[in-house]
Amino acid sequence: GDSVTQMEGPVTLSEEAFLTINCTYTATGYPSLFWYVQYPGEGLQLLLKATKADDKGSNKGFEATYRKETTSFHLEKGSVQVSDSAVYFCALRGIIQGAQKLVFGQGTRLTINP
Amino acid sequence: GAVVSQHPSRVICKSGTSVKIECRSLDFQATTMFWYRQFPKKSLMLMATSNEGSKATYEQGVEKDKFLINHASLTLSTLTVTSAHPEDSSFYICSARVLAGDLNTGELFFGEGSRLTVL
Repeated sequence: GDSVTQMEGPVTLSEEAFLTINCTYTATGYPSLFWYVQYPGEGLQLLLKATKADDKGSNKGFEATYRKETTSFHLEKGSVQVSDSAVYFCALRGIIQGAQKLVFGQGTRLTINP
Repeated sequence: GAVVSQHPSRVICKSGTSVKIECRSLDFQATTMFWYRQFPKKSLMLMATSNEGSKATYEQGVEKDKFLINHASLTLSTLTVTSAHPEDSSFYICSARVLAGDLNTGELFFGEGSRLTVL
């Protein structure tokens, strides 16, 4: 079945550092790919998404490119801030019509120190 | 974006009792809601898909008699953990899909989660 594997955390960086959180997936066909963020005490929020190969999703300085050849959707940010501290989840949604299921990776906890 | 609210956010109960968690879409209608369970340091596991006016579809390994799901209206789904035991302690999260003409593009919005602790 479909699955998502993401970089194990926790990840601790200093402010203004470069961030990469790796995410690879296994799925039939071409799923849609997502990054969700969960700030302390809050629900998951969609950070960015890409629905087809070579698409780049971006939001709040974060970017991820849908790479079909490597089945990856790595999250990057050039200069992180303390406010980026959160748990990040990579997810995919399969192509089965009406299924609408999101399959999540295990989450990566990111802590940014000032 | 659209708002999904869960209640209660935290609940502590004694073993053997039943607990109901509500999931409401506050400013949109949701034909489909999803219930997830999140274990510490692990991913969200889909428990069931709840469709308004019909029976929920449970994922493999999830006891439907243990986790009762009701989706009585387009803005409310409930999860009842029956005869709760300490191993049911977890973080339960719901999500709702905005009605959209193309089912594959309807965005999902998540509630803030409900932490259940069974003593």
